[in-house]
Amino acid sequence: KQEVTQIPAALSVPEGENLVLNCSFTDSAIYNLQWFRQDPGKGLTSLLLIQSSQREQTSGRLNASLDKSSGRSTLYIAASQPGDSATYLCAALMDSNYQLIWGAGTKLIIKP
Amino acid sequence: EAQVTQNPRYLITVTGKKLTVTCSQNMNHEYMSWYRQDPGLGLRQIYYSMNVEVTDKGDVPEGYKVSRKEKRNFPLILESPSPNQTSLYFCASSYAAYRSTDTQYFGPGTRLTVL
Repeated sequence: KQEVTQIPAALSVPEGENLVLNCSFTDSAIYNLQWFRQDPGKGLTSLLLIQSSQREQTSGRLNASLDKSSGRSTLYIAASQPGDSATYLCAALMDSNYQLIWGAGTKLIIKP
Repeated sequence: EAQVTQNPRYLITVTGKKLTVTCSQNMNHEYMSWYRQDPGLGLRQIYYSMNVEVTDKGDVPEGYKVSRKEKRNFPLILESPSPNQTSLYFCASSYAAYRSTDTQYFGPGTRLTVL
């Protein structure tokens, strides 16, 4: 059974720093890997989606990588800003049944 | 504006009193899904629907019902709510679950408390 793990559960860094959020998964038979952002009271917003055949995707200051063989994905945030404070979730779409399996998230706080 | 709406946003109820949480999307999406989110756990899928009149169980379907009579609506029904169903619920939709480039769009969430 697929398990998705995000470590650390919480992270606090000063504004301006570059940072990396980690996501690991136990079953490499995935269709894609997705990163979401969750803000209190506002639901989830999709950030990046990496297809299983891709190695990385970029959007602005965000870069997500995928290494299926090692079961790892990372979300790199450059030049962090207080507005980046949120909970970041990763989810793996299984190619057997198209279910999304979610990590528990990393709560990120960017200190001004 | 493309969106997924859920109502109500907040609900406090008592054990055993039937309730329905509505979900509607205006993007003509085929795939819709319900999740619950509990502290320290990832989102867990309750039910999903690949298209009208097609629904299937997710990982935690016990105590819930759904229906998909129209493409845009996917209500979640709790026939006899219990305290262990206290949670944050999300509805989501996407064009199709199996397209590798698809992403899911989420509603704002419904915070349910069952006393």
